[in-house]
Amino acid sequence: GAGVSQSPSNKVTEKGKDVELRCDPISGHTALYWYRQSLGQGLEFLIYFQGNSAPDKSGLPSDRFSAERTGGSVSTLTIQRTQQEDSAVYLCASSLTPMGYEQYFGPGTRLTVT
Amino acid sequence: AQRVTQPEKLLSVFKGAPVELKCNYSYSGSPELFWYVQYSRQRLQLLLRHISRESIKGFTADLNKGETSFHLKKPFAQEEDSAMYYCALTYSGNTGKLIFGQGTTLQVKP
Repeated sequence: GAGVSQSPSNKVTEKGKDVELRCDPISGHTALYWYRQSLGQGLEFLIYFQGNSAPDKSGLPSDRFSAERTGGSVSTLTIQRTQQEDSAVYLCASSLTPMGYEQYFGPGTRLTVT
Repeated sequence: AQRVTQPEKLLSVFKGAPVELKCNYSYSGSPELFWYVQYSRQRLQLLLRHISRESIKGFTADLNKGETSFHLKKPFAQEEDSAMYYCALTYSGNTGKLIFGQGTTLQVKP
């Protein structure tokens, strides 16, 4: 079946603009994660969704970052008033259940803030 | 705080040589440890996890709680093993989110 998909694959935006990144997890996967991959920071956890539970937002770097997951499926990560330090590859992953299972990663969205 | 350390940014070996990618972690409880791999122009994917104690593509990793290590080993490297390797940790009550090391690029020369 289809894996995790993300769109767009690349996004170039001007500093100060808002961006939305989309993730379509594998059907039936209840757990969804967002990570950020950047040169200076490596791979960092951002936010986690599990079913109807309150999301774990502990990795979001600032209040400019937010995310939602509609209907337990598609997720959107929104970055408001983008800054140059937001430039990174944003990865989405989904898992059948949260603990001890393989996380399947999407191809990522490369965000460049000019 | 929980942390994963991969001391080598780049490891370069010749084809057929043994490989050991180092991973140390800091966590006082019982961790779940993984190795993820990213081949060129491919997405990040699971290579192996310590709970399954399996060998994938000839790679093995043993959890050493005394040394808090989870080194990845392969006796004979192949050129197709060239990739970025990430060690990752999670633990019970952590919602499954992964704490990654900085990654090691493995370069296998012909």
